[in-house]
Amino acid sequence: DVKVTQSSRYLVKRTGEKVFLECVQDMDHENMFWYRQDPGLGLRLIYFSYDVKMKEKGDIPEGYSVSREKKERFSLILESASTNQTSMYLCASSLRQGLGNTIYFGEGSWLTVV
Amino acid sequence: EDQVTQSPEALRLQEGESSSLNCSYTVSGLRGLFWYRQDPGKGPEFLFTLYSAGEEKEKERLKATLTKKESFLHITAPKPEDSATYLCAVQVVAGSARQLTFGSGTQLTVLP
Repeated sequence: DVKVTQSSRYLVKRTGEKVFLECVQDMDHENMFWYRQDPGLGLRLIYFSYDVKMKEKGDIPEGYSVSREKKERFSLILESASTNQTSMYLCASSLRQGLGNTIYFGEGSWLTVV
Repeated sequence: EDQVTQSPEALRLQEGESSSLNCSYTVSGLRGLFWYRQDPGKGPEFLFTLYSAGEEKEKERLKATLTKKESFLHITAPKPEDSATYLCAVQVVAGSARQLTFGSGTQLTVLP
């Protein structure tokens, strides 16, 4: 089975702190993604990566950055956390680009910024 | 602009009462339609992928169908453990890692 592991399930951070969310996948997938999920807004893509050190902005990249130094690991960074970044963050991965590639999700990280 | 709309937003069923969830889409070119199940506080779990109109897939009490404008997730004789939020998503650009556009989901509650 594909496993996408998010290291932190629940975090509480203060406004202005730098926050790191870590994600690891164990299936040698090329693509990795970070989404956030908010009530009434659904899943929104923040950033994705299609290869090591390669990244592209999604629909809502403002206030976020990412890092992919190794194929299996994709990190989401909040440089200076703000209260409007309180949300559930979902990491995901898929095998490759193209038709019908299923995206597999991690369990999610609940971030509260106070 | 590509749009995915799910209805109803919430659905309450009695155990054994069959029903359908709807996912309608307006996209420039459908490459695949995905259904996911999401339990509270957890990440989405993959259920099905449909590629072309007329295609159907089944898993236990769930059956997904696809037309040129919408997809249905039919739930036959549901049980309380089927309670979850069901998400659909469309793949709209082949070859792009951007991949999926999600609907807002249908929250299903099955009462014993």
